[in-house]
Amino acid sequence: EIVLTQSPGTLSLSPGERATLSCRASRRIDNNYLAWYQQKPGQAPRRLVYGVSNRATGIPDRFSGSGYGTDFALTISRLEPEDVAVYFCQQNRESVTFGKGTKVEIK
Amino acid sequence: EVQLVESGGGLVQPGGSLRLSCEATGLIVNEAHMSWVRQTPGQGMEWVSRLTSGRVTDYADSVRGRFSTSSATSKNTLYLQMDNLRVEDTGIYYCVRGPALWGDFDHWGQGTLVTVSS
Repeated sequence: EIVLTQSPGTLSLSPGERATLSCRASRRIDNNYLAWYQQKPGQAPRRLVYGVSNRATGIPDRFSGSGYGTDFALTISRLEPEDVAVYFCQQNRESVTFGKGTKVEIK
Repeated sequence: EVQLVESGGGLVQPGGSLRLSCEATGLIVNEAHMSWVRQTPGQGMEWVSRLTSGRVTDYADSVRGRFSTSSATSKNTLYLQMDNLRVEDTGIYYCVRGPALWGDFDHWGQGTLVTVSS
């Protein structure tokens, strides 16, 4: 099973700042089957990015995904108050696993 | 617009059974890959089962032999039959479309809460 380790556990930033969330895989994800989800309190997850860097329909362009191999990142270029949420990465290189999530807070 | 609406969650004793339902609109369940994903206090987000458009099923090791997924064409509904439930099965169960082309899950239901406790 591929383990996804997300860091940091919690990210506390001011509005307008840049947020960089990390997702590290225990083995290479060489088919680019890596996605990111946003889960706001009390809501179901929402897909943000798929195939490492493809933004899903309706997702603001301040969200971007990058990476290859074992190291991946989700960047929020200018943090807005509505971005407060937990962000998960997910892979499907070997079965399906999710990371534990990064909580993004506003200072 | 795709909508997935789960139902059937509740409180059950260890060893008991529940059947979750997921009614779909905006997609045809039998023409899509559909999965159940759960969010538990112990394991976080965990893929549970899959029913492919080719009618192939697959399960996580943690539920294989206890859970079964199926669908009803006439009702456009996905099911998850859960038997021999354990305390560690407690969590929110989401019906999702996928894995999609890039191995992701593009549509999620709102979830239904399953609590296994004596």
